[in-house]
Amino acid sequence: EIVLTQSPATLSLSPGERATLSCRASQSVRTFLAWYQQKPGQAPRLLIYDTSKRATGIPARFSGSGSGTDFTLTISSLEPEDFAVYYCQQRSNWPTFGGGTKVEIK
Amino acid sequence: QVQLQESGPGLVRPSQTLSLTCTVSGGSISSDGYFWSWIRQVPGKGLEWIGYVYYNGVTYYNPSLESRVSMSVDTSKNQFSLKLSSVTAADTAVYYCAGAGQQFLIFEYWGQGTLATVSS
Repeated sequence: EIVLTQSPATLSLSPGERATLSCRASQSVRTFLAWYQQKPGQAPRLLIYDTSKRATGIPARFSGSGSGTDFTLTISSLEPEDFAVYYCQQRSNWPTFGGGTKVEIK
Repeated sequence: QVQLQESGPGLVRPSQTLSLTCTVSGGSISSDGYFWSWIRQVPGKGLEWIGYVYYNGVTYYNPSLESRVSMSVDTSKNQFSLKLSSVTAADTAVYYCAGAGQQFLIFEYWGQGTLATVSS
């Protein structure tokens, strides 16, 4: 099993600030890393796949980078609707998810 | 736009079998290249992939659950199903059905989720 570790667990920021979320894999997942956003009471929503490709309809303020074992999701300027929990997911092997990073309003 | 909707009992007795169905609308479950998954989330916790089924019945399961999981597809009803046997309280979770099409095992489509509680 490939274990994904996300950090920090919680990120306290203000609207307009830049958010940087990390995901580290226990072994290389090449570029097969995706990011999802989940709001309370809702299903996750796909944001980014294959490290840096934005899903349909996802704003350009969301970007992804990395390769191998270290990946980053960046939100360039937080909008009020971006405060949520973010999960990374790998598909290099059978799918596993990280534990999540909560982006909360400071 | 593909939409998914889970259905099934909200309460399951310990040691029994949890059975859920996902109805796909806005598209065909037989669409080439679309794999249909179940994913669960213990309330307040992270996400766990359970497995997938293809329209032709091919399945692949999470090795940690493989001995208790069975998935099937009914193309005539545009539905796919999950059975999880010998459930315990640890199986209490929100169960999501999800669809991966354009990219293998990238979950573009999600149902709203259904809470299944294991309790006597």
